[in-house]
Amino acid sequence: AQSVSQHNHHVILSEAASLELGCNYSYGGTVNLFWYVQYPGQHLQLLLKYFSGDPLVKGIKGFEAEFIKSKFSFNLRKPSVQWSDTAEYFCAVNAPDSSYKLIFGSGTRLLVRP
Amino acid sequence: EAGVVQSPRYKIIEKKQPVAFWCNPISGHNTLYWYLQNLGQGPELLIRYENEEAVDDSQLPKDRFSAERLKGVDSTLKIQPAELGDSAVYLCASSLTPAGGETQYFGPGTRLLVL
Repeated sequence: AQSVSQHNHHVILSEAASLELGCNYSYGGTVNLFWYVQYPGQHLQLLLKYFSGDPLVKGIKGFEAEFIKSKFSFNLRKPSVQWSDTAEYFCAVNAPDSSYKLIFGSGTRLLVRP
Repeated sequence: EAGVVQSPRYKIIEKKQPVAFWCNPISGHNTLYWYLQNLGQGPELLIRYENEEAVDDSQLPKDRFSAERLKGVDSTLKIQPAELGDSAVYLCASSLTPAGGETQYFGPGTRLLVL
């Protein structure tokens, strides 16, 4: 069965610091990869996704993620975080073999100090 | 464009009572999902609908949970009777199709507390 691991449960950064959130998945076949974000008091929304093509994906608000197939990873990055990036970030994966059932990681809570 | 609408936003009930959650997906979205999110965890799929048909309900505890999507639009998720362990956030999402690269759009969720 597929699974998604987000090793950092809580991350605290100061504004302007660089961010990298780890995401690893366990599945050997073709996958689609997603990062969702949940800002305080708001619903889950898509940050970016990869399903084919360039493994470096750019999303909203300056976020990007790189799909490294050999490492089964899809880490999220941002060169300079802002206070407004404080949120919970979820990595997710689906695959055609499992009818595209979306499997989420347990999430990473990011706190950005002003 | 309106997003996914859910109601109620919060619900407090005593154990053994029934409870129902309602979801209105984005207009034109044929695929509807119900997820369960426990504290400190990511969402877990309970059931997926393609129009009126439940195509993946393998994770739905059928002894106490039921769902329906009449006319392929709105959906209701019911728990009867509720147990203490059902306290969680119940999320509804929708997408145009179930295809892998499709974005799922989530509603605000219903936060359930069972006392």
